[in-house]
Amino acid sequence: AQTVTQSQPEMSVQEAETVTLSCTYDTSESNYYLFWYKQPPSRQMILVIRQEAYKQQNATENRFSVNFQKAAKSFSLKISDSQLGDTAMYFCAFTTNFGNEKLTFGTGTRLTIIP
Amino acid sequence: GAGVSQSPRYKVAKRGQDVALRCDPISGHVSLFWYQQALGQGPEFLTYFQNEAQLDKSGLPSDRFFAERPEGSVSTLKIQRTQQEDSAVYLCASSLQGPQPQHFGDGTRLSIL
Repeated sequence: AQTVTQSQPEMSVQEAETVTLSCTYDTSESNYYLFWYKQPPSRQMILVIRQEAYKQQNATENRFSVNFQKAAKSFSLKISDSQLGDTAMYFCAFTTNFGNEKLTFGTGTRLTIIP
Repeated sequence: GAGVSQSPRYKVAKRGQDVALRCDPISGHVSLFWYQQALGQGPEFLTYFQNEAQLDKSGLPSDRFFAERPEGSVSTLKIQRTQQEDSAVYLCASSLQGPQPQHFGDGTRLSIL
């Protein structure tokens, strides 16, 4: 079975600080895609960042970056210079089924940015 | 509109009633997915369409759940004889074909009394 584990149910950090959300996954596939999605109270799931497993270089998107450790099956998200608008649930997800890219999600981390 | 549109945003039904949830994907998106998100949990896959073809329905929890996308655009998720355990947020997502990012709608919150 393919699983995603997010071991931090809740986190909080002061505005402008850096925070890292952890994610581990389990799959026997060698090629797959990993994602971090953000879900604010409005409920719409928004893509934060994407990583292709065959790429060694860690993905970055402005203040968001990942630390992808393929051998350890670890995919953490780092948010730099955190802002109040970053307050949301964050879900780690991956897909291995090319031709059917259904996502497997973790249980999420509730992140609160404190002013 | 520019994004995935889902309706209704909220639905309250009595146990035993049938409900229908609508998803209008982004124009041109071939792939369409339905997910169920229980309170405090991550979304779980229900079913997948490529154009009008339902290629995977392995996540549908029972034969009371039925989904269709007859013209390869709008999709409807129908739940017959609703039960309390069906209460959840139902998310729809669409994407271009291939391992492309999925774009999600705002979801429908279904409450079964």
